[in-house]
Amino acid sequence: SQTIHQWPATLVQPVGSPLSLECTVEGTSNPNLYWYRQAAGRGLQLLFYSVGIGQISSEVPQNLSASRPQDRQFILSSKKLLLSDSGFYLCAWSVGLGDKETQYFGPGTRLLVL
Amino acid sequence: GNSVTQMEGPVTLSEEAFLTINCTYTATGYPSLFWYVQYPGEGLQLLLKATKADDKGSNKGFEATYRKETTSFHLEKGSVQVSDSAVYFCALIHSGAGSYQLTFGKGTKLSVIP
Repeated sequence: SQTIHQWPATLVQPVGSPLSLECTVEGTSNPNLYWYRQAAGRGLQLLFYSVGIGQISSEVPQNLSASRPQDRQFILSSKKLLLSDSGFYLCAWSVGLGDKETQYFGPGTRLLVL
Repeated sequence: GNSVTQMEGPVTLSEEAFLTINCTYTATGYPSLFWYVQYPGEGLQLLLKATKADDKGSNKGFEATYRKETTSFHLEKGSVQVSDSAVYFCALIHSGAGSYQLTFGKGTKLSVIP
């Protein structure tokens, strides 16, 4: 069966510090991978998605970036965090079935920027 | 464009009460529709889905029917429990540039009191 992991679970970082969040998927090959952010009172926002190694698409311009160095690894990064980067970051995976596919979410990383 | 509208919460019910959370959508074509649930401090879990008109998704006593005529996918449960307290998200999948993406409603917080 497939599982998705995210770490760390919780992170407190000062403004201006770098960020690296990691997501890995087990039990499937060539998944589509997604990063979402859930900020208080703002719902779920798609940040990045990837359909393969090295292929990243950005949905929202910001000071975050994403990378996919391996088939089942997706990393969210920042060189300098802003207060507005605080939120709950969710990684998700799917297997490409077009408009019949289902996305499955990880446990999330709660980020607090102070 | 594609959008999902959910009834605003919070919704507070007594245990064993009947639950309805309304969800309507705007989309081109006939996308798959989903309900996700988020328990406090956790990621999103797929609750149920429907991939075509008149399909009924069901899981854990929850049901939702894909209604093309009314563009709706209302979530129902006959008798809620305290453990159902969570935030519920309605979503649809649609094609983006090179991938398929989820559009979420803003979520409805449900609190069930004993």
